Amino acid sequence: GQNIDQPTEMTATEGAIVQINCTYQTSGFNGLFWYQQHAGEAPTFLSYNVLDGLEEKGRFSSFLSRSKGYSYLLLKELQMKDSASYLCAVINSNYQLIWGAGTKLIIKP
Amino acid sequence: SQTIHQWPATLVQPVGSPLSLECTVEGTSNPNLYWYRQAAGRGLQLLFYSVGIGQISSEVPQNLSASRPQDRQFILSSKKLLLSDSGFYLCAWTGGRDSDTQYFGPGTRLTVL
Repeated sequence: GQNIDQPTEMTATEGAIVQINCTYQTSGFNGLFWYQQHAGEAPTFLSYNVLDGLEEKGRFSSFLSRSKGYSYLLLKELQMKDSASYLCAVINSNYQLIWGAGTKLIIKP
Repeated sequence: SQTIHQWPATLVQPVGSPLSLECTVEGTSNPNLYWYRQAAGRGLQLLFYSVGIGQISSEVPQNLSASRPQDRQFILSSKKLLLSDSGFYLCAWTGGRDSDTQYFGPGTRLTVL
């Protein structure tokens, strides 16, 4: 089967750094996405990794290791507005997008 | 720039009633279109996708159907809603330069009573 594993929930403090992990087992790999979803809203695109390494975009960075089937999303200088669910998704060899269940991130003052 | 619209935003329907949700995309041509459902506190479940007019692929057998009557229009329907059809329905599209990235519409929150 194909699956994507993410922690269900994480808590962090405003101003701190948090790392959300994602591991995947899929039939092939053609890229990995991270999306942010605020409660009651649609997911919005954050990042796309297809090669190994770190991609940085402002306060958010995403890392990929294809040999380990592993990615993480790193959020720096956390703000209250970062409280949301973060979804990891992988494109497999059939170009199907396989979604994780998401990690709910709670930011405390 | 491309935009994606969905309506209605919220809907409350009785069990056994019909359903029609509409999604349209502007600013692009020949998009791939997707319907997802998200139950409360859960992940995204792909229901249907379409790569062209009149072409529909179903991922999950159920009492829902989809149609694509025009290039940038995608419709989700049901003849008789079930309680289990309640959820957040999201339409998404891919295409353009970053062709693998899915962009989502604002969603329709459906409550079946």
